[in-house]
Amino acid sequence: EVQLVESGGGFVHPGGSFRLSCAASGFTFGTYEMHWVRQAPGKGLEWISYISSTGGTKYYADSVKGRFTISRDNAKNSLFLQMDSLGVEDTAFYYCARDPGAAIFDFWGQGALVTVSS
Amino acid sequence: EIMMTQSPATLSVSPGGRATLSCRASQFVSNNLAWYQQKPGQPPRLLIYGASTRATDIPARFSGSGSGTDFTLTISSLQSEDFAIYYCQQYNVWPPLTFGGGTKVEIE
Repeated sequence: EVQLVESGGGFVHPGGSFRLSCAASGFTFGTYEMHWVRQAPGKGLEWISYISSTGGTKYYADSVKGRFTISRDNAKNSLFLQMDSLGVEDTAFYYCARDPGAAIFDFWGQGALVTVSS
Repeated sequence: EIMMTQSPATLSVSPGGRATLSCRASQFVSNNLAWYQQKPGQPPRLLIYGASTRATDIPARFSGSGSGTDFTLTISSLQSEDFAIYYCQQYNVWPPLTFGGGTKVEIE
C-alpha cells in the first residue's frame, strides 16, 4: 500500500524556519518525481515545489522561490521541504504528493499544518 | 502562468442527481487536465487525468470531458460520499502547476 506520511508540522514565528519531512513507503520511492502542495486553512490548493526522481531538477512557485528548498534522500525514502524566512502567508497544510510521471498527483500525504504567527 | 477558473463556486444537487462542473483555462492546455476530489479533513484524491481518463478505483459515475481551454466534470448520480470540493489542475505548461479555485458540491 502506498503511504506518504508528513511530519514536522507546528508553530513558528514570522521570519523563522521550519523543515518538513515526508516518509514514503509501499512503492519504489527513488523512481518517482515528487511535489509539495499547500493549502491555507479554508482555501484552495497551491503547488509550491517539484523534485525529479534523482533530485537533479527542482522547481518552485514564485511565492516560495529563494525561501524554500526541496530535497530528497532516496536511500531513506524521504522527501524534505526546508522553509526559511517564513511569513504569516505561509500558514497552511503542506502535502507531499507523488507524481507518476505526468505532473499530476496520484497519491497524497495527510498533510502537516505549519502555522506562522507572532 | 496559466489561470484556471472553476464554476460555479457552489453547486447544490439532490442525492441521485447529476452534477456538472466547469473548468476553464486562460490558455490552451490540450488535454493535460486533471480533476481532484477533496473531503473535509482529507487530502485531495485524483479522479481524472488526461481530461477524461478515470484514475484507479474511481467509479464510472465520474466522467471528464473537454480539450483546449474548456473542461467538464460530470457526476452522473450523486452518492452521499460525493459531496465534496472538486479542483481542476492543468499540467500542460509548467512550472507553475496551477489549480482552479474549486467547486463545492453540496446537498440540495
